Amino acid sequence: QKEVEQNSGPLSVPEGAIASLNCTYSDRGSQSFFWYRQYSGKSPELIMSIYSNGDKEDGRFTAQLNKASQYVSLLIRDSQPSDSATYLCAVNRSGATNKLIFGTGTLLAVQP
Amino acid sequence: DAGITQSPRHKVTETGTPVTLRCHQTENHRYMYWYRQDPGHGLRLIHYSYGVKDTDKGEVSDGYSVSRSKTEDFLLTLESATSSQTSVYFCAISGTDSQPQHFGDGTRLSIL
Repeated sequence: QKEVEQNSGPLSVPEGAIASLNCTYSDRGSQSFFWYRQYSGKSPELIMSIYSNGDKEDGRFTAQLNKASQYVSLLIRDSQPSDSATYLCAVNRSGATNKLIFGTGTLLAVQP
Repeated sequence: DAGITQSPRHKVTETGTPVTLRCHQTENHRYMYWYRQDPGHGLRLIHYSYGVKDTDKGEVSDGYSVSRSKTEDFLLTLESATSSQTSVYFCAISGTDSQPQHFGDGTRLSIL
């Protein structure tokens, strides 16, 4: 079992739809959760951070965390073609807040 | 954008040669990180620094060394490069150990 698992995709959604990206993790002691967006050939860019159970909204993005079930998700509302990218989930190792474990990413394709 | 500059951006070298990658930041952040990104593995932490002359190993540190003589510079050295070290290398920074990490543009390293 990978420490951080993501469906590799591609996840294809039509423009204007809601894209739902999921991530599960194995370390029950993890406290910090991050979503990064990475365009092809570019560096990861922080989209959202979440530290407590529940939802956190920022513009069109909503991060959801459920520590009991060990999953974190990212919802993108009103998806745009410019949202087409790979989305990386990152989780800290318990006892090491700055040591992140990254999933391999989900490729999102938004169809115009 | 976070003020992070990686150099060189691209490098091709031969097996057995030493290679040094540089990360320079203008944010005065305490924490600096080196990651490598490979298909199927996602981003993996090589080494990180929590202050001048203070460094620690990540999950894939074998074959790599680092140095940090100034707050703004973090060097990654491959003492004797091997083909398995062909990868894209990213530097990241954060102000504290729990703050999100922000990434530089990356260095594409090919070892023939």
